[in-house]
Amino acid sequence: QSVLTQPPSVSGAPGQRVTISCTGSSSNIGAGYDVHWYQQLPGTAPKFLIYGNSNRPSGVPDRFSGSKSGTSASLAITGLQAEDEADYYCQSYDSSLSGWVFGGGTKLTVL
Amino acid sequence: QLQLQESGPGLVKPSETLSLSCTVSGGSISSSLNYWGWIRQPPGKGLEWIGTMYYSGSSKYNPSLKSRVTISRDTSKNQLSLKLSSVIAADAALYYCARLEEYSYGQYYFDYWGQGTLVSVSS
Repeated sequence: QSVLTQPPSVSGAPGQRVTISCTGSSSNIGAGYDVHWYQQLPGTAPKFLIYGNSNRPSGVPDRFSGSKSGTSASLAITGLQAEDEADYYCQSYDSSLSGWVFGGGTKLTVL
Repeated sequence: QLQLQESGPGLVKPSETLSLSCTVSGGSISSSLNYWGWIRQPPGKGLEWIGTMYYSGSSKYNPSLKSRVTISRDTSKNQLSLKLSSVIAADAALYYCARLEEYSYGQYYFDYWGQGTLVSVSS
């Protein structure tokens, strides 16, 4: 059972928009700790995609965007492409656990 | 360009100690700008934070593993180490080392990851 809750899977057709939610609690996201997102392509290590809730590092397409509100955060992907098919993880810090926590991951399927 | 490379035995017997190393190149593990962490991923499952080493040399561990985990470093080799004692089948996973970047006061994210090393547990 992950501290941060994500839907196990989402899907969308090429060109469509999908969102992945990440729900936490008052000891992590709700406590003011930022949310970060990682993309894990099949057979590879995770790669950071969004940091600090909504900051996109250079090299990440602007089709990817993040937001945070209250005890939840979301990753939105617009203009879906086949290459976006991957597992996506949210991550934050939890003050009760005094450590870093991940969501359970969401598998994105591009139909 | 920072690179992290995990290494260690791919097979560990139940009840024994798992020992892994992470060699860092292109940056110093002693830098006060970063922390360093271990994360694992059981086959087909999600990511689990194991622990983090601060630039001071102290470490913080996942409470669920705290009694069995030790993270240390060898600054002369620029290496991070992970030891997990009394391993069980559930410890079989892909083990990653990663760098924690502070982009804002007290806020960190994992910006560089190694490619991971797979550890199986079997007698």
